[in-house]
Amino acid sequence: NAGVTQTPKFQVLKTGQSMTLQCAQDMNHEYMSWYRQDPGMGLRLIHYSVGAGITDQGEVPNGYNVSRSTTEDFPLRLLSAAPSQTSVYFCASSYGFSTWRGAYEQYFGPGTRLTVT
Amino acid sequence: DQQVKQNSPSLSVQEGRISILNCDYTNSMFDYFLWYKKYPAEGPTFLISISSIKDKNEDGRFTVFLNKSAKHLSLHIVPSQPGDSAVYFCAASALFGGGTSYGKLTFGQGTILTVHP
Repeated sequence: NAGVTQTPKFQVLKTGQSMTLQCAQDMNHEYMSWYRQDPGMGLRLIHYSVGAGITDQGEVPNGYNVSRSTTEDFPLRLLSAAPSQTSVYFCASSYGFSTWRGAYEQYFGPGTRLTVT
Repeated sequence: DQQVKQNSPSLSVQEGRISILNCDYTNSMFDYFLWYKKYPAEGPTFLISISSIKDKNEDGRFTVFLNKSAKHLSLHIVPSQPGDSAVYFCAASALFGGGTSYGKLTFGQGTILTVHP
């Protein structure tokens, strides 16, 4: 198993540009989520999905869109990049509803470091 | 408002000694707590968890203690090894929150642990 994969590893955008961060998992996990990590802030939940076709907002959703058309993929779209979106982005997945602990013991991808100038 | 706080940004320990990482929370709805470990340029990995029905959970060299009345948890690593040097994140969730809160984790800011040989 490749686990959770994220592409690209690094990205530089100009203000106003849009892009999609890719996330895929091959563990047949129901639950997937996106976090951003900023210095002194820990990880903050952006959006999450409890299954294909179902998504919801996390703590910091503004400026981001998600969709979940398949179990495996959960892309994160930046609509119009802003310098405040400079961060490290992590995608995570877990078993979700199959076990009561499943949604919490999440498997993380290696991250995408995004810089917006 | 930071609902999960790790007030020590860093901790330095000698190899073989005990490392104690602390975490405080404010939301009384939180009833499931986790510790994640993160190496540079990698995603966080799940380490150990505890539910609010317990006050202690052990896994090898790692023990998590929960004091519900003080809304405080700690992670003990005994004995500490140089390979334990990493950032440690505390996370919390309302396990029985149901609905859209299922699976949502709130993270602390992280503590950088350095174990010296």
